[in-house]
Amino acid sequence: IAGITQAPTSQILAAGRRMTLRCTQDMRHNAMYWYRQDLGLGLRLIHYSNTAGTTGKGEVPDGYSVSRANTDDFPLTLASAVPSQTSVYFCASSDRDYNEQFFGPGTRLTVL
Amino acid sequence: SQKIEQNSEALNIQEGKTATLTCNYTNYSPAYLQWYRQDPGRGPVFLLLIRENEKEKRKERLKVTFDTTLKQSLFHITASQPADSATYLCALDGNNRLAFGKGNQVVVIP
Repeated sequence: IAGITQAPTSQILAAGRRMTLRCTQDMRHNAMYWYRQDLGLGLRLIHYSNTAGTTGKGEVPDGYSVSRANTDDFPLTLASAVPSQTSVYFCASSDRDYNEQFFGPGTRLTVL
Repeated sequence: SQKIEQNSEALNIQEGKTATLTCNYTNYSPAYLQWYRQDPGRGPVFLLLIRENEKEKRKERLKVTFDTTLKQSLFHITASQPADSATYLCALDGNNRLAFGKGNQVVVIP
């Protein structure tokens, strides 16, 4: 494969449950990002990682955590899901900060 | 406060005409600006990057301008085709991260 894969494609989750969204890239990009996209609000950055072993908070980090154990994987965890986390989640990567970003196909998450 | 504004109303345009989209920003001093295309149910796809010292950038039927005085970028699709129908997002570097506008939908009518 070439690019970014995300899993699952979609998920319905009960409030209070823990959920990890997976993201894998095979382009050896240093930087990776998680966004959520909501109608009327656009893309908002949740967390980012400039390189393996480092992470940072974006615009809307509350309720989410990430890890970057290696270059390829950047999972996003919702420790205790709430209905306001219903959204479409996109993972992206770039070969260095500020360059063009490559996006995955997205995960549609519904929290009931 | 910082803002990136794109027209929330869809742009309906006849095939063959030039579509022009606007991206205005407030309280940013971006070194560059990017444009992405997003189709329904898919992730955004990078189209063009223009730097602050560049007035204009072209790629095939696409043209982008960047006016740091007006704090505005214009995105043009010349000889538009129905396949150009999509939502177009502008993005610029702000607060050390890429900040996206909400996007502007283009509908090309055959």
